[in-house]
Amino acid sequence: GAVVSQHPSWVICKSGTSVKIECRSLDFQATTMFWYRQFPKQSLMLMATSNEGSKATYEQGVEKDKFLINHASLTLSTLTVTSAHPEDSSFYICSATPYGDSRSYNEQFFGPGTRLTVL
Amino acid sequence: RKEVEQDPGPFNVPEGATVAFNCTYSNSASQSFFWYRQDCRKEPKLLMSVYSSGNEDGRFTAQLNRASQYISLLIRDSKLSDSATYLCVVNSFGGYNKLIFGAGTRLAVHP
Repeated sequence: GAVVSQHPSWVICKSGTSVKIECRSLDFQATTMFWYRQFPKQSLMLMATSNEGSKATYEQGVEKDKFLINHASLTLSTLTVTSAHPEDSSFYICSATPYGDSRSYNEQFFGPGTRLTVL
Repeated sequence: RKEVEQDPGPFNVPEGATVAFNCTYSNSASQSFFWYRQDCRKEPKLLMSVYSSGNEDGRFTAQLNRASQYISLLIRDSKLSDSATYLCVVNSFGGYNKLIFGAGTRLAVHP
């Protein structure tokens, strides 16, 4: 159980286009999902916390107008990179915390990641 | 100062070796501690949680020292399959189960 999927697994796009990444919890409901970014040879950096039915909470230095997050249901959160540029090329990973699970406060389940390359 | 700091690595060890990773964290209010493993170009996977009393899972032993804000991971009898990057992760008690990741320590086990 506790499987998280992401789509697409990789994407190549031209500079200036927008890219949407989906994160789904397949066998559980998640009131909270997290979006991370990882540059080569660096660790995961939390970008934002996505809460079902409310606005996302962005980390310092992350532009909310550039990285649009929507968490419309208990099983789906989307991250849209608007007007992508080459410096946005990175590995984007989501995670989810099960709703109503006593261990949920401690464990996050990660999606397989989306590799974005902006030309 | 980074919130979570780890040995920079890489660690290159032969099969069968014992290797230890260290980690320190800056937020004394942190509540939960973990070691994750990340293979190249993959998502991180939970290796084990770390408890104050110390805990063991097969060849892996994790220790936590709250007073020193120090976490360790010991791997005994290293296998080739242990080659990966090991991430020290701390829960930042900010209301939303926010995880803070260390930069990771790369382990390469060779024959």
